[in-house]
Amino acid sequence: DTAVSQTPKYLVTQMGNDKSIKCEQNLGHDTMYWYKQDSKKFLKIMFSYNNKELIINETVPNRFSPKSPDKAHLNLHINSLELGDSAVYFCASSPIYKRTGAAWGAFFGQGTRLTVV
Amino acid sequence: KNEVEQSPQNLTAQEGEFITINCSYSVGISALHWLQQHPGGGIVSLFMLSSGKKKHGRLIATINIQEKHSSLHITASHPRDSAVYICAATPGAGGTSYGKLTFGQGTILTVHP
Repeated sequence: DTAVSQTPKYLVTQMGNDKSIKCEQNLGHDTMYWYKQDSKKFLKIMFSYNNKELIINETVPNRFSPKSPDKAHLNLHINSLELGDSAVYFCASSPIYKRTGAAWGAFFGQGTRLTVV
Repeated sequence: KNEVEQSPQNLTAQEGEFITINCSYSVGISALHWLQQHPGGGIVSLFMLSSGKKKHGRLIATINIQEKHSSLHITASHPRDSAVYICAATPGAGGTSYGKLTFGQGTILTVHP
């Protein structure tokens, strides 16, 4: 059973298109994230949702819109794709201690390699 | 300057060698993670530390909170250990961080037979 699953694994598309990446976790975690890994393998947070509510939005262009229909899903929609959006996108989830808000562990999906041509 | 710095960026070793990867951070943290990423693969969490030392098989992770420093050690390294090792910090203690990770640049480890 895959704990955090993303689809698709590979996505090749033309500039200007709109595309979505889906993420689902079956771990019962409250918090989910999207991270972007650039060509130098550097990872950076994009968004975080806790119980379907947006918690963190790290200066990501508004062409990127996350959507969380329920706490087990966090999808990423990207409008008007640009060459610079080419990267690997990772979804992740964490359990959060309700009392402190601290996370315990990090569970990653397998990544989606997006190539914009 | 990145809030989380790793060294070295590249590391080559012969099979059987003892390996150390270092991580320094400049922010207050609630936890420090060590992650492993194989070529073309996903990211696996190896350790999460808030103090002291943890061991799993040939892997050992230590953290010194006062010095804001952590190390990942691999004993008796093997070619299958070849991967990118990433240090990541969860800033603060709860509040609005909600477990977001701030990453180091990664260390590319290659172990030759």
